[in-house]
Amino acid sequence: GENVEQHPSTLSVQEGDSAVIKCTYSDSASNYFPWYKQELGKRPQLIIDIRSNVGEKKDQRIAVTLNKTAKHFSLHITETQPEDSAVYFCAASMGSSASKIIFGSGTRLSIRP
Amino acid sequence: DTAVSQTPKYLVTQMGNDKSIKCEQNLGHDTMYWYKQDSKKFLKIMFSYNNKELIINETVPNRFSPKSPDKAHLNLHINSLELGDSAVYFCASRQNSGAYEQYFGPGTRLTVT
Repeated sequence: GENVEQHPSTLSVQEGDSAVIKCTYSDSASNYFPWYKQELGKRPQLIIDIRSNVGEKKDQRIAVTLNKTAKHFSLHITETQPEDSAVYFCAASMGSSASKIIFGSGTRLSIRP
Repeated sequence: DTAVSQTPKYLVTQMGNDKSIKCEQNLGHDTMYWYKQDSKKFLKIMFSYNNKELIINETVPNRFSPKSPDKAHLNLHINSLELGDSAVYFCASRQNSGAYEQYFGPGTRLTVT
């Protein structure tokens, strides 16, 4: 079955610096890669996603890159702010309509003032 | 006007008891999910229903039984609760075409003593 590995498990960066979280997936048929943010005590919420026909997608300070050959995808957050502190999950889909997604183990991001 | 709601928010019960968690979505989505998030924050899919039909059933003990009376509701019944069932259970929903974003409920924190 699909397996998604995520690194690092914890990340601490100075406010204003960039943060990068990396994931790898095992199933070459995966075609949808969302990223979810979960603040303490809250529900996971989608922050950005990318489909396999696109190599990069950007939304303000957040960008995601996908390398299908290497089966790697990454989340980049620039100009980090205190409100970026949260647990971030990558995920990869299975099935033709991405009906099932497998989550990575999460990265706890802390922004130092 | 809550999109995905769950009840109860907190559930404390003793080993061996039977309990249910309810989920409702008012987004008109066709697919609903149950996830389990353990103490290490790992998000694992348990079940998925599409238009009241079970489409995903992961390796979950048969003490867990989902029920979907209609496509807006997906309930989770757990028999003979065990200590290891303690976790946060999230319901989620999504539409079947177009955007693949899953919308999560606020979670139900289950504590088995």
